[in-house]
Amino acid sequence: AQKVTQAQTEISVVEKEDVTLDCVYETRDTTYYLFWYKQPPSGELVFLIRRNSFDEQNEISGRYSWNFQKSTSSFNFTITASQVVDSAVYFCALKMEGGKLIFGQGTELSVKP
Amino acid sequence: DTGVSQDPRHKITKRGQNVTFRCDPISEHNRLYWYRQTLGQGPEFLTYFQNEAQLEKSRLLSDRFSAERPKGSFSTLEIQRTEQGDSAMYLCASRGSSGNTIYFGEGSWLTVV
Repeated sequence: AQKVTQAQTEISVVEKEDVTLDCVYETRDTTYYLFWYKQPPSGELVFLIRRNSFDEQNEISGRYSWNFQKSTSSFNFTITASQVVDSAVYFCALKMEGGKLIFGQGTELSVKP
Repeated sequence: DTGVSQDPRHKITKRGQNVTFRCDPISEHNRLYWYRQTLGQGPEFLTYFQNEAQLEKSRLLSDRFSAERPKGSFSTLEIQRTEQGDSAMYLCASRGSSGNTIYFGEGSWLTVV
């Protein structure tokens, strides 16, 4: 079965703390893509990163970094020095045949000043 | 470069009425997707088009739901005889033929009273 699990429903941190959002996936495919999206209160899903299964290099983009480990089927997302503007719901997703995405339940991140 | 746009952004309707949502994908994106998202959940796939052809429909798409993409550009999602359980946000997304990233619109919120 294809499945994405985000076990953390809500996380609350104080500004400038580092925070890691967990994502575990299940798939039978040997080639697949994983995504992270941010959903602020306005509702739009904002694309953050795409990672294909052949590329296990970790990626850093400013304060954001992603740790992809095929051995544990995980694709975790870390925000360094969090800011209030990072408050949102974050979704991890797995791309299936045809391009449709399977999403996790989402993690609501609250960054307090 | 405009993103995916959806209209209307918000719709309140009485149970039993019909509603229609429109989605304009990113220009030249040939794949278009519809998702539904209820409160506290991740988006769930409804259907997708490649150009004007509807290639897949989820079992979530009951007979009261119909989607079209007549000229392979914009798409409409119609819900007939709305029920309170249809209250959700309806998200549209698009992808180019050579790309693997799916871009989402801001969603259309539906409230059935």
